[in-house]
Parts: sequence; C-alpha cells; structure tokens
Amino acid sequence: QKEVEQNSGPLSVPEGAIASLNCTYSDRGSQSFFWYRQYSGKSPELIMFIYSNGDKEDGRFTAQLNKASQYVSLLIRDSQPSDSATYLCAVNKGSGSARQLTFGSGTQLTVLP
Amino acid sequence: DAGVTQSPTHLIKTRGQQVTLRCSPKSGHDTVSWYQQALGQGPQFIFQYYEEEERQRGNFPDRFSGHQFPNYSSELNVNALLLGDSALYLCASSLSLAGVTGELFFGEGSRLTVL
Repeated sequence: QKEVEQNSGPLSVPEGAIASLNCTYSDRGSQSFFWYRQYSGKSPELIMFIYSNGDKEDGRFTAQLNKASQYVSLLIRDSQPSDSATYLCAVNKGSGSARQLTFGSGTQLTVLP
Repeated sequence: DAGVTQSPTHLIKTRGQQVTLRCSPKSGHDTVSWYQQALGQGPQFIFQYYEEEERQRGNFPDRFSGHQFPNYSSELNVNALLLGDSALYLCASSLSLAGVTGELFFGEGSRLTVL
C-alpha cells in the first residue's frame, strides 16, 4: 500500500463545474496535509494546507480532512481552464517543524472550455 | 524578494559520473529540503538540512549527499550516476520556526538526464 494515494486520472471537467480530487494516507500519525498544483514543466506551488478535521475554504478551493477515515480531498468550484494542471496531495510525516512531505503521484486535471 | 533559486536548470551526464546541484533558499528561510521527481510521479523526499546538518533523510542511497552552508544555501551531490537518477531535482526552503504548517517554497528545479 502506498503511503499517499490519489484518485487515478486524468480527470476532465467542463468549465464552471466542480472538480473533486481525492487522497488517502496510511500513517495515522500524520499531522498536516497539503495540496499543491503543478503546471507542466513547473515546480509545485502550494494551494492549501489543512490540519484539523472538517472543511477549510479559500476562494474557489475547499480542502476537506477526515482523520478517522484517513482521507483528504480538494474541491475546486467554478473550474477554469487555467486550473488545468497536476494536483499533488502531500502529507507531513516529520515531527515538529522538521517537515518531511510525502507526496502522492498526482491527479492530472483538465478543464474543458 | 527572490524566491528559491536553483542551478543549473538542465544538465546531461553519463552513467558513473558525479553531479552537484545548487540551491539558494528564499530570503529569511533557514531550512532546505531536496526532492527527486521522476516523470509522472510526485516528488520524493531525499533529505533536509538545518543549521548545516542533515536533519532528516528519505529512502535514498549514500550516493546522494548534501551540504548546507552558513548562508543557508545548499548543494546536492550524486555520485556514480545511474540511468534511474534521471529526474527533476527540486529544492524547497522553509522557516524552521513556522512549524508544521509553514509553507514550503519550491524552486524551479534542476532537470538531470543521465545517458
């Protein structure tokens, strides 16, 4: 079992729709969870982080965390063609500030105009 | 404010050679982490440096080594290159005091091709 698993892509949604990206993790001791966006040929950039159970909203993005189910998701509302990218789920394994992120393989999202 | 800078951006080596990659962290950051990203995969943690010492290490062989300098910049060295070392090498910087939710800033990476 992989430490961080993401729903297999690629995922295509029409412009204006909601894109739902899912991630599960195996280490129950994981403390914080991150969603990164990576455009082709570019480096990952942080979209959101979450460390408490429940929802966290930032503009069109909502991260959801369920530690009991070891599940993290990212919802993108009103999807735009510019949202087309690979989305990486990452989990913090390190203790304290010594963060060691474990990434999933990513889900490629395409938003169709 | 300069972000994380890495050099070189691209390089080609042959099997058995050695390579050194360099990273300057974002201004004010004191911690540098290195990740390897193979094509179609997520980044994999190599190691992290803080106060010029390796603080954590991922599942990589001793051929991978690093260094952090007093100005917080860092180098990643890979010896005896294998074809499988071909990847994008990402440097990420962070502020130790920011704790577990502090943002990790990535550089644009060094793309290594081993022939």
